[in-house]
Amino acid sequence: DTAVSQTPKYLVTQMGNDKSIKCEQNLGHDTMYWYKQDSKKFLKIMFSYNNKELIINETVPNRFSPKSPDKAHLNLHINSLELGDSAVYFCASSQEGRGRSNQPQHFGDGTRLSIL
Amino acid sequence: AQSVTQPDIHITVSEGASLELRCNYSYGATPYLFWYVQSPGQGLQLLLKYFSGDTLVQGIKGFEAEFKRSQSSFNLRKPSVHWSDAAEYFCAAHSGSARQLTFGSGTQLTVLP
Repeated sequence: DTAVSQTPKYLVTQMGNDKSIKCEQNLGHDTMYWYKQDSKKFLKIMFSYNNKELIINETVPNRFSPKSPDKAHLNLHINSLELGDSAVYFCASSQEGRGRSNQPQHFGDGTRLSIL
Repeated sequence: AQSVTQPDIHITVSEGASLELRCNYSYGATPYLFWYVQSPGQGLQLLLKYFSGDTLVQGIKGFEAEFKRSQSSFNLRKPSVHWSDAAEYFCAAHSGSARQLTFGSGTQLTVLP
């Protein structure tokens, strides 16, 4: 029944490793997002995909690469992990359609990434 | 630049007391406005949203918010707080065409018994 699900929920790894976080939504939405929440709880958009097309790509190191195999999935791959990547990463989805949209975003429970 | 401001970092209220969390926005036109709640270790849950029409909107868990165009505000209220309301509250705005939410910095709510 979970609308937006992320795996894993916790990820503890060493600096320099490569890791992936997966996200799936079963709401039939056409747009998915990745947000980063830092240690001060500040939330910032990283990427957004609409119908598998990248539409938002904020100032994020190119070590972060999103991949959307289909409308229901948006994965986040991170290369050469650094200490500063420690954060909670949230996936979200919404139905945007074309033009202006007033639909709310639905969030997953987050992936807590800790870099040792 | 578009921004959302939550002036209060931390608010403490006693159980049963009333609550008001402040939110101000800075946008060229009136954005779509949202309040989300994040319980410890959890994701964000939508409490309520404002798009147009009635400026007082009702949400889940007994929350309501009032949109005031003249003050560029969208404050969240609850008449009587329950201990389970202790959480982080985020105000967010969406211009409709930007397809991204801009979040405030959050307000941590502590509820005293």
